[in-house]
Amino acid sequence: DSGVTQTPKHLITATGQRVTLRCSPRSGDLSVYWYQQSLDQGLQFLIQYYNGEERAKGNILERFSAQQFPDLHSELNLSSLELGDSALYFCASSVVSYNEQFFGPGTRLTVL
Amino acid sequence: AQSVTQLGSHVSVSEGALVLLRCNYSSSVPPYLFWYVQYPNQGLQLLLKYTSAATLVKGINGFEAEFKKSETSFHLTKPSAHMSDAAEYFCAVSLENQGGKLIFGQGTELSVKP
Repeated sequence: DSGVTQTPKHLITATGQRVTLRCSPRSGDLSVYWYQQSLDQGLQFLIQYYNGEERAKGNILERFSAQQFPDLHSELNLSSLELGDSALYFCASSVVSYNEQFFGPGTRLTVL
Repeated sequence: AQSVTQLGSHVSVSEGALVLLRCNYSSSVPPYLFWYVQYPNQGLQLLLKYTSAATLVKGINGFEAEFKKSETSFHLTKPSAHMSDAAEYFCAVSLENQGGKLIFGQGTELSVKP
């Protein structure tokens, strides 16, 4: 158990819908990262937050957004969902940037 | 731009044999390097990390990796494979000037035959 929790574990929804994925980092970790894992793209960095502020952005679609709240938990919002958004979404946390990241169990999103 | 290449998407070894998973990186600045393991239907677990201290890094479960700057490599080894080592392994690089995001290789699936 990494100490990073993600909910829900599975999510099945339809095209055009909007979903919210939730992540709670390890106690004491200020940095939260979101990654997408798919068969065709592999593991891709989406976005990073540090102590409530956006720190870095990867290949994140405009339909996707995220935020980190004062209690340091983070949410990833995916809207206008397409079939190609089906993937495993991981959250990871670290004490500060550049340290090792600890990954949650992931949320498997299926868009039908 | 930095990148990570893992040679071989699938490696198969016999139980008790040497495990060698290859990783090469490209980076214009000294990187931080990591190996993660992913078991089926689970998240990624950190095996080991290189952060510019000793070039030979020991990790969990008997794995180790050697940083070779001249070869831009960070290969993962284990002297004797166990059945429980069967999983997918990811090499990743992180750069200090890019906020710590991880750039992953495409992964190598390790199979262990009895």
